[in-house]
Amino acid sequence: GAVVSQHPSRVICKSGTSVKIECRSLDFQATTMFWYRQFPKKSLMLMATSNEGSKATYEQGVEKDKFLINHASLTLSTLTVTSAHPEDSSFYICSASREDNSYNEQFFGPGTRLTVL
Amino acid sequence: SQQGEEDPQALSIQEGENATMNCSYKTSINNLQWYRQNSGRGLVHLILIRSNEREKHSGRLRVTLDTSKKSSSLLITASRAADTASYFCATDPSGNTGKLIFGQGTTLQVKP
Repeated sequence: GAVVSQHPSRVICKSGTSVKIECRSLDFQATTMFWYRQFPKKSLMLMATSNEGSKATYEQGVEKDKFLINHASLTLSTLTVTSAHPEDSSFYICSASREDNSYNEQFFGPGTRLTVL
Repeated sequence: SQQGEEDPQALSIQEGENATMNCSYKTSINNLQWYRQNSGRGLVHLILIRSNEREKHSGRLRVTLDTSKKSSSLLITASRAADTASYFCATDPSGNTGKLIFGQGTTLQVKP
């Protein structure tokens, strides 16, 4: 149990376009999902916390109009990178926390590699 | 923000040897977790140690936690080539924020 999927796994887009990344919890309900960004050989940087049915909470320095997050159901959160630029190229990883999670263990998706040309 | 500092940043050992990675953090915590990441992949949860625990074992993994020093260590015994990966500690800060704060990670290479 506790499987999280992400789609797509890789995406290449032109500068100025928008890209949507989906994060799904496949076999559990996730009250909270998290979006991270990871640069090569670096750690994960938390971008935002997404709660089902409410607005996402963004970390300091993360532009909410640039990175739109929607948590439409207990199993799906989406991250849309709007008007993407080459500096948005990165590895984006989501994680999900179970409803019955006492210890804040997070289950991670496999990540999405975004390349903006 | 990243509150964890891990050392070493990179570690290269021979198969069969033990690997020890250290993590330090800054705030009080509910628990500390260790994750593994294979290159270009998502993270896999390895082990969680609560703030009132000092040591925990899981298979070939041993984790210690010293809350007075705000530090933790991960020991992998009898390493295998398949253990080659990056290892991250993550703290769950006190106050039930729901967030995890990740350390910078240790890249482990186990040579066959």
